[in-house]
Amino acid sequence: EAAVTQSPRNKVAVTGGKVTLSCNQTNNHNNMYWYRQDTGHGLRLIHYSYGAGSTEKGDIPDGYKASRPSQENFSLILELATPSQTSVYFCASGDAALGGLVAETLYFGSGTRLTVL
Amino acid sequence: AQKVTQTQTSISVVEKTTVTMDCVYETRDSSYFLFWYKQTASGEIVFLIRQDSYKKENATVGHYSLNFQKPKSSIGLIITATQIEDSAVYFCAMREGWTGGYKVVFGSGTRLLVSP
Repeated sequence: EAAVTQSPRNKVAVTGGKVTLSCNQTNNHNNMYWYRQDTGHGLRLIHYSYGAGSTEKGDIPDGYKASRPSQENFSLILELATPSQTSVYFCASGDAALGGLVAETLYFGSGTRLTVL
Repeated sequence: AQKVTQTQTSISVVEKTTVTMDCVYETRDSSYFLFWYKQTASGEIVFLIRQDSYKKENATVGHYSLNFQKPKSSIGLIITATQIEDSAVYFCAMREGWTGGYKVVFGSGTRLLVSP
């Protein structure tokens, strides 16, 4: 069974502080994604990765950095957190083969609820 | 850039009836993949069903089926014989080729409430 684990489950941060959200997958998938979910906006893509060492900007990357040090781990970093980044963040891994246009099923983690005060 | 739009914010139905959720998309690619995902009340997000753009037949899985209208860039999700446990938020998603960076983007979701 595909497994994507996010930590922490809940996080309260202060404005201007640094926040790191972690994601680990045991599926050996090449692709990993970070989304944020806000009412009325659905799931919006922040950053994604094709494999270890790669990160790509999604649709709303401003204020976020990503790091993919290994196949299993993908982190989302907020260097200077702001209240507008209060949201629920989801990590997912995708089973598409590296390169090429193929169908891809995403497996999601349970989400991290981040509150920036 | 690819875009996925779900205009229905919420739908309420009585159980055992059929419901259709709408989704339209924008893409510059001739080949792409369309998906529907379900988010349960617990927040869990799971894959439901997929339509490959080059296939003319509508995909069906269990009591979920798709109404794929390529000329209209539309992919509707049909749930027949709805059950209480179908109450959830449903997301439409798309994966393009190189013009879209091979990434998966989602719509804003439709909340379905199934009542007895």
